[in-house]
Amino acid sequence: DAGITQSPRHKVTETGTPVTLRCHQTENHRYMYWYRQDPGHGLRLIHYSYGVKDTDKGEVSDGYSVSRSKTEDFLLTLESATSSQTSVYFCATLGTGLNTIYFGEGSWLTVV
Amino acid sequence: AQKITQTQPGMFVQEKEAVTLDCTYDTSDPSYGLFWYKQPSSGEMIFLIYQGSYDQQNATEGRYSLNFQKARKSANLVISASQLGDSAMYFCAMRENTGNQFYFGTGTSLTVIP
Repeated sequence: DAGITQSPRHKVTETGTPVTLRCHQTENHRYMYWYRQDPGHGLRLIHYSYGVKDTDKGEVSDGYSVSRSKTEDFLLTLESATSSQTSVYFCATLGTGLNTIYFGEGSWLTVV
Repeated sequence: AQKITQTQPGMFVQEKEAVTLDCTYDTSDPSYGLFWYKQPSSGEMIFLIYQGSYDQQNATEGRYSLNFQKARKSANLVISASQLGDSAMYFCAMRENTGNQFYFGTGTSLTVIP
């Protein structure tokens, strides 16, 4: 358990509004990830971070931005939410030994 | 090209029987790690097993073993003596050493039949 908490856990928002999901970890892990999970697609990487202020895009980054101003926090922002961004979002961190990735409990986002 | 391919969307297995979940991967990185995760209906992601690309022996964790065939780029999960609680979604994943990005497959839904 890497002490990962995601907030909010559930959110319903309207199309066009900004949304920020927060991921907080207590283990001082360097690498952090944001994934979205959709039926038939598995988990797809949105953005990841390899240190404070160091981030990079994943395979489905369009419409998303991230920030990491502290080691423990990784924020995912939907600048203007669309219905196609309705999904379950998972935050994850890479353990120090590089042989385990730890997941948060997920954030269910519905865009109406 | 897909980094991780899981070709079995759904699988059924009789309780107490063994089952193999298939996973193939694609990478040119000589150093990588392979993982399996379980996702029950409650939604959390549970780590099952890890295999490093340089590990000589197949990884085992209790009833889980990873059948690692490097030349064929396959990393199948074998669950022995299936239990009803094994019914879940199973994801294969790979970490490439370059950049430490993680790639996941689309998952296999396993149902254990009493």
